[in-house]
Amino acid sequence: EADIYQTPRYLVIGTGKKITLECSQTMGHDKMYWYQQDPGMELHLIHYSYGVNSTEKGDLSSESTVSRIRTEHFPLTLESARPSHTSQYLCASSASWNTGELFFGEGSRLTVL
Amino acid sequence: DAKTTQPPSMDCAEGRAANLPCNHSTISGNEYVYWYRQIHSQGPQYIIHGLKNNETNEMASLIITEDRKSSTLILPHATLRDTAVYYCIVTLPQGGSEKLVFGKGTKLTVNP
Repeated sequence: EADIYQTPRYLVIGTGKKITLECSQTMGHDKMYWYQQDPGMELHLIHYSYGVNSTEKGDLSSESTVSRIRTEHFPLTLESARPSHTSQYLCASSASWNTGELFFGEGSRLTVL
Repeated sequence: DAKTTQPPSMDCAEGRAANLPCNHSTISGNEYVYWYRQIHSQGPQYIIHGLKNNETNEMASLIITEDRKSSTLILPHATLRDTAVYYCIVTLPQGGSEKLVFGKGTKLTVNP
């Protein structure tokens, strides 16, 4: 059973606000990821991390930033939200020895008005 | 450049086997085939993976052709809850999931 949690599940916020999407896992996984997915569209990797103090940008350019201060925690921040940031954000983690098997959280659906 | 090709959609009757094909003609010798599914905007769920032998678990079976250029995911007795988008992915297990490309997948609809 995967133990990876995202909060909030749903967030409606006004333009210009700063938001942080939380992601935590209790499996001790070194690798963590953020994907972005619009309704009915493909998943796109926007950030990933190999471990503490490691962060990299993914295939899709994003104005969001991430940090990895603790192994279990990988928050995503938008300094100034815009309507174009409206999307679903999915967090995932994997063990280093089997990076093909990702464990996903339930997602955070962000709507920026 | 897509590493896998899947039909965009398929239908299956409830209780029947669902056979989802995937072409991966450029797969390299040490790459594995992974299958995931995503049920209506939830996070994708890992199903199964294999290298060259057929694999079976409690969710599904994976049949990989001898030349490894294609594979089939089999749900032996599909239920309505199996309606989802199914993704076939080719990757190295130790390669780092930054290379995990989900693509468009196959939307499977299980009909009553």
